[in-house]
Formats: sequence, C-alpha cells, structure tokens
Amino acid sequence: DAGITQSPRHKVTETGTPVTLRCHQTENHRYMYWYRQDPGHGLRLIHYSYGVKDTDKGEVSDGYSVSRSKTEDFLLTLESATSSQTSVYFCAISAWGENTGELFFGEGSRLTVL
Amino acid sequence: EDKVVQSPLSLVVHEGDTVTLNCSYEVTNFRSLLWYKQEKKAPTFLFMLTSSGIEKKSGRLSSILDKKELFSILNITATQTGDSAIYLCAVEVGSNYKLTFGKGTLLTVNP
Repeated sequence: DAGITQSPRHKVTETGTPVTLRCHQTENHRYMYWYRQDPGHGLRLIHYSYGVKDTDKGEVSDGYSVSRSKTEDFLLTLESATSSQTSVYFCAISAWGENTGELFFGEGSRLTVL
Repeated sequence: EDKVVQSPLSLVVHEGDTVTLNCSYEVTNFRSLLWYKQEKKAPTFLFMLTSSGIEKKSGRLSSILDKKELFSILNITATQTGDSAIYLCAVEVGSNYKLTFGKGTLLTVNP
C-alpha cells in the first residue's frame, strides 16, 4: 500500500471555525491532490500541488487554501467552514511520468460542519 | 468545461452475470483515461488507457478506449459479490496531471 495518511479521519465542527486537514506521504512523490466526494457529484478536485510551494486551483477551490512547505505534507485549510463544506475529503499522490498515471488515495477525512 | 459522463449510474445484477460500464468524455487536451474501483473507503486503481483499440485486461475485468468516439467501457465477466462497488472513470486533461472524474457507477452484485 502507498504510504499516505490523512488526519484527522473524522471531524465535527461549527460554522465559521477554521479547519485544517493534513495529508502525509512517505513515497516522495511530486504530485499531491485534495479531492472532495459528495453524493451525486463524484470526486471533484479542490487544489493540487506539483512540488514544494507549487500549488494550483482545481474546479471547486473557493473557500479552501492549501500549503506545501515540504514534499511529504500537503495541508488543506478551510478558513471559515460552512455547511456546504460537509463532505468526505480525499488526499491523493501520484508518480506521474514513472510509467503510470495511477493516483494513490488516502483513506479519507469525513468533515461535518454544523 | 471538461465533462466525463458515466452510465448507468447504478446497476443491480446477479452473481455470474456479465456487466458493461460506460464512460464518455468531452475534454480539451485529452491525455489518458483511468478506471478506479471504490469499495467502502479509498478508490483503487484498475486501468490506465492511452491508445485506442488496445484492450487492457486483469482477470475478469477488461477495458478498452475509443478515442474517435470519445468513450471507454469496463467489462466484468462472471461477476461476484466482491465486485460490488462504485466504479469511477477519470480523464487526464492538459498538463500537471489533473484528473476529472465522472460521478461513478454503483454496481451491486447479488448472490
């Protein structure tokens, strides 16, 4: 299994509070991604990173920010959580360019915003 | 706007049946198409397709891509209850290896 862990795995918070989700990898892969998964929408890309301090927006980036200060960690921050951000968040890593486009996913972080 | 459409959205079959899942796409700068299986937690990789007409096969699962008609199919023969899952299709578009996912097909295999 790919060495990718997410924390926390479950979180309940209130509207307006800040939340940070952490993704940690031990594979030294360059590319890291944050997706959210909601019923009826599938997986949607929030932000991604193609190297330390190199990040870009995905299709649903509003209300989210990210940081990657070292290869192994990719943080997703909700500055002021809203109920619409209740979702399951998946981090993924990839070794693109090494004969495969496979994404390895973390176990997911279930966030509930009350 | 890039689109990936999967059909059907859900499917119920009996063990031993053969199923075909569909994925069509409309994207700019297509690079590859990938299939994932999602059981209770994280999606897991099945296939990556880049060339038309070349079938990828793994056990009872196979997949093929048609770049002219912009679709792919995933076939599962002799289905088992363990095949019950959400099957996700994703298309790699542009540079920086971003994937756009379809909504998935929920397959239920009854004994």
